[in-house]
Amino acid sequence: SAVISQKPSRDICQRGTSLTIQCQVDSQVTMMFWYRQQPGQSLTLIATANQGSEATYESGFVIDKFPISRPNLTFSTLTVSNMSPEDSSIYLCSVLEGTGGTEAFFGQGTRLTVV
Amino acid sequence: GENVEQHPSTLSVQEGDSAVIKCTYSDSASNYFPWYKQELGKRPQLIIDIRSNVGEKKDQRIAVTLNKTAKHFSLHITETQPEDSAVYFCAASIRRGAQKLVFGQGTRLTINP
Repeated sequence: SAVISQKPSRDICQRGTSLTIQCQVDSQVTMMFWYRQQPGQSLTLIATANQGSEATYESGFVIDKFPISRPNLTFSTLTVSNMSPEDSSIYLCSVLEGTGGTEAFFGQGTRLTVV
Repeated sequence: GENVEQHPSTLSVQEGDSAVIKCTYSDSASNYFPWYKQELGKRPQLIIDIRSNVGEKKDQRIAVTLNKTAKHFSLHITETQPEDSAVYFCAASIRRGAQKLVFGQGTRLTINP
């Protein structure tokens, strides 16, 4: 499976600031996904990062709050903008591999605390 | 929209006993159903999956069954061990444009020695 490296692994940020999370994959992938996992909760898809086009956002998530870059087939960034304590969460990047490109593999996650 | 319901939210079993976690899905077009194990502070790890052309799949102590008619699938863990303690998530594939996964709410499994 692909090796997915995410950084930072954790951060504590002041409200009103922004944090950019990086995700690097050791192989080229068509799509990369960004998830949010709030404390004790399930994984919620934020957006799909497509190389060469705008990211596709899920209901409840907007580009102004979570801008995404995808400059090439191995790298993506997610920015959490104008943070509030409600943004405290784990953010995970993911890629699809395997038969039919359906098996999801995850980065180690970024644990964000907003104070 | 598409959703996946997972039950129970917590499950506690004695070591050596079996554990069963159940999920139902809403999108009849879903054709791929993975299960993930997430240990505390770690990333979700794929442990087993099943596709819609198969009714059951087994890998050592873990098995998954799928009932497409009823739109539900289950994870079975036999001879449970303390290292099986974790949060388990089911998921179902959806295709809205690109292939995506929708996750269940998770089950916190505790194995009591």
